[in-house]
Amino acid sequence: GIQVEQSPPDLILQEGANSTLRCNFSDSVNNLQWFHQNPWGQLINLFYIPSGTKQNGRLSATTVATERYSLLYISSSQTTDSGVYFCAVYDMRFGAGTRLTVKP
Amino acid sequence: DSGVTQTPKHLITATGQRVTLRCSPRSGDLSVYWYQQSLDQGLQFLIQYYNGEERAKGNILERFSAQQFPDLHSELNLSSLELGDSALYFCASRDGDTQYFGPGTRLTVL
Repeated sequence: GIQVEQSPPDLILQEGANSTLRCNFSDSVNNLQWFHQNPWGQLINLFYIPSGTKQNGRLSATTVATERYSLLYISSSQTTDSGVYFCAVYDMRFGAGTRLTVKP
Repeated sequence: DSGVTQTPKHLITATGQRVTLRCSPRSGDLSVYWYQQSLDQGLQFLIQYYNGEERAKGNILERFSAQQFPDLHSELNLSSLELGDSALYFCASRDGDTQYFGPGTRLTVL
């Protein structure tokens, strides 16, 4: 099956900093999502992005399907951005996540 | 609030027992997905239903079963529980490109 790898596993930032999270996948996909799991455990869909670039406020994502990776950009980070960020392909295969901690 | 509801929020039971987790998708969503999240295995896809029919199967153990009813709610049945089944169980529904997750049921097997 498709392997999904995320990096870095952990990231600690000061409020206001920018960050880039990466998701690599082992085969071509046409279904990729990014999720945020907040410290209370709630999973929230951020982007459905099988290819191209999307932006939503301070967050944006880019998927280069031919090179089998996707990037999630967080700009001007806030403490509420803390949590774990997952990418998932075909609703079925999740990466291990990147744990982001934003310090005030 | 995602609109997906799950009950109960917490469940504590003993090894060997059987439990049922319930999920109601968002109004109008026909699909239901079940996932297990544990510390050692991460987020694992278990099974998907669409309008009452099983659509896809993932890493679901034979001791586990699920169904989706005509009113579109779904139940996940876990039997002969083991310590390793302790986890957070999520369900989700989909509207177009977006998946919406419920708050989860935390299962503790003692």
